[in-house]
Amino acid sequence: AQRVTQPEKLLSVFKGAPVELKCNYSYSGSPELFWYVQYSRQRLQLLLRHISRESIKGFTADLNKGETSFHLKKPFAQEEDSAMYYCALSVSGGYQKVTFGTGTKLQVIP
Amino acid sequence: DAGVTQSPTHLIKTRGQQVTLRCSPKSGHDTVSWYQQALGQGPQFIFQYYEEEERQRGNFPDRFSGHQFPNYSSELNVNALLLGDSALYLCASSWTGTGPYNEQFFGPGTRLTVL
Repeated sequence: AQRVTQPEKLLSVFKGAPVELKCNYSYSGSPELFWYVQYSRQRLQLLLRHISRESIKGFTADLNKGETSFHLKKPFAQEEDSAMYYCALSVSGGYQKVTFGTGTKLQVIP
Repeated sequence: DAGVTQSPTHLIKTRGQQVTLRCSPKSGHDTVSWYQQALGQGPQFIFQYYEEEERQRGNFPDRFSGHQFPNYSSELNVNALLLGDSALYLCASSWTGTGPYNEQFFGPGTRLTVL
């Protein structure tokens, strides 16, 4: 069975500092990896997916199959980045059954 | 387009009762997935409906059942409620197409409290 691990419940950084939210997964095949974000009082929404290799709001994430990791990074944190971030994995193609991690709360200190 | 809508917003039930939660997908979407999010946890996949049939199911007991209607809206039913069923129930809709970007859009959730 697939599993997603986010080791940090809370990550506090100062504005302008680099951010790295960690995500590790376990799955023997080739998964599809995503990062979802939930801002205060807003819905859960997709931030980015590894297959598109895009940068969204300055965030990037690289899939490392050797280390089974998909860490989310941003070089300079902004206050509006404060939110709950969930790493997620799908194994049945597209966005079918999605397995989520427990989430990391990012707090950007002004 | 209001996006994915869910009703009710909040619900309080007692142990042993039954509950029905409702979801209307985003316009143009034909697939509905349901998730349970307990406090401090990430969403857990319950099941997914497509063409009025359950297409995939997570590790949830048969007390959890669902339905999808011809207009693509969906219901989640939970029988014989337990205290542990208290959670936020999220609905997500998507379009089952051939492209790689059939992104799931989430609703605001229904907060269920079982006393």
